Parts: sequence; C-alpha cells; structure tokens
Amino acid sequence: DAGVTQSPTHLIKTRGQQVTLRCSPKSGHDTVSWYQQALGQGPQFIFQYYEEEERQRGNFPDRFSGHQFPNYSSELNVNALLLGDSALYLCASSWDSMNTEAFFGQGTRLTVV
Amino acid sequence: AQSVTQLDSQVPVFEEAPVELRCNYSSSVSVYLFWYVQYPNQGLQLLLKYLSGSTLVESINGFEAEFNKSQTSFHLRKPSVHISDTAEYFCAVLGPTGGGADGLTFGKGTHLIIQP
Repeated sequence: DAGVTQSPTHLIKTRGQQVTLRCSPKSGHDTVSWYQQALGQGPQFIFQYYEEEERQRGNFPDRFSGHQFPNYSSELNVNALLLGDSALYLCASSWDSMNTEAFFGQGTRLTVV
Repeated sequence: AQSVTQLDSQVPVFEEAPVELRCNYSSSVSVYLFWYVQYPNQGLQLLLKYLSGSTLVESINGFEAEFNKSQTSFHLRKPSVHISDTAEYFCAVLGPTGGGADGLTFGKGTHLIIQP
C-alpha cells in the first residue's frame, strides 16, 4: 500500500498565478482533507471532500477550491496566489468522514515568489 | 470553535530521560484528541488518540497520553526518550463527537530535541 501520495513535492509559482495540487488517498479511504502548514506552525484545515462534495470548510477564502474524483483522488486549486500562500500543503485521507484516523501524505511545498 | 495550546515550542531533554509535552484544549463540547509526530521533511504520522473509554492511551513506541476532562488537557509522556524521538509533535482536537464531517484543529507544535 503506497499510503497517501501527493504531487508535486515542490513547486515554485509567481504571485498572481494559479496552482493545482494533487492527492491520491490511501487504499480503501474515501474521504480527503486538505491542510495548509505555514513555516513553524501547525496545519490549518482548508476543507474536506467526501462523495465528491465539499463537506466542511475551514477559514480560507474562495481562492482555495477543490475537487474529488470518482476514484476518491482530489485536487486543491489556489487562484491569484499571494506571497502568504507559501506553505506546505498536506493531504489527509480517512475511511470515515469524522477523520478519527487520518493518514497524511508527505505534502507539497509551495513557494510563491 | 475549538483551540489547542501547546505551551512549549521547544523541549530539550537528554537521552534516556523522561519527557512530558503539554497540550491544553478549549472546547465547549466533547471532542476527540490526537497526538501526531512530524519528522523533518515528512508528513504527519498519528502517534495516539483518545476517542472514548480509558483516559490513558498508549502508542506502540512507548509514548502515552492521558485525557483529563476537568483540566482540558491531553499531555504526552515518555519515560525514557531515544535520539530517534527527535521530531515535531502536534496535539490536535476533533469535534464535536458524533457530529458530521470535520477537520482537525492543531496546536502550533512542540519541537522535541534529544541531547546525547
């Protein structure tokens, strides 16, 4: 089992651009959540997808959007990038929507210049 | 809304000494509690969790945490640390229990530094 896989591992974008990050959940998991971890901080919940719908959302602007595909994989899209969007983006998957046992990927390091 | 406070940003300790990493949470409802560990340049790994039942929970690598409802705490302890325990430790809360889909709320993390 490959666990949760994220791509790419590193990404550099220019302010104002758009970015798409990808996540494949652990085998058997149908729920995917996304988190933003700024340097020196704990992860912050962006949103969760279950049955291809956004089920819960944290305190993030509409520039952050996502999608879940029928195979449970997910994308995180960020539009109009700001310097402050530079962070490690973590994807977590679980078999239940309550996230009582979430497995995290290694993350995508996004740098906005 | 929940919040998690990890009072210590760094905890240096000598190898084979005991350690306690403190975590306090703020919530008006029943919650689930977690400790995650993050090694350099890696994602988070679940260390242990409290969902219900016994207030003392243990991990396979010697860590334990005790849920204290009256003090709203979930401190992490290990009686004897090893160099390989050097990592960032995050306390997290999830809730309300029995509710719908939700995200984890994390503390800012505690960097455990093991000194030889």
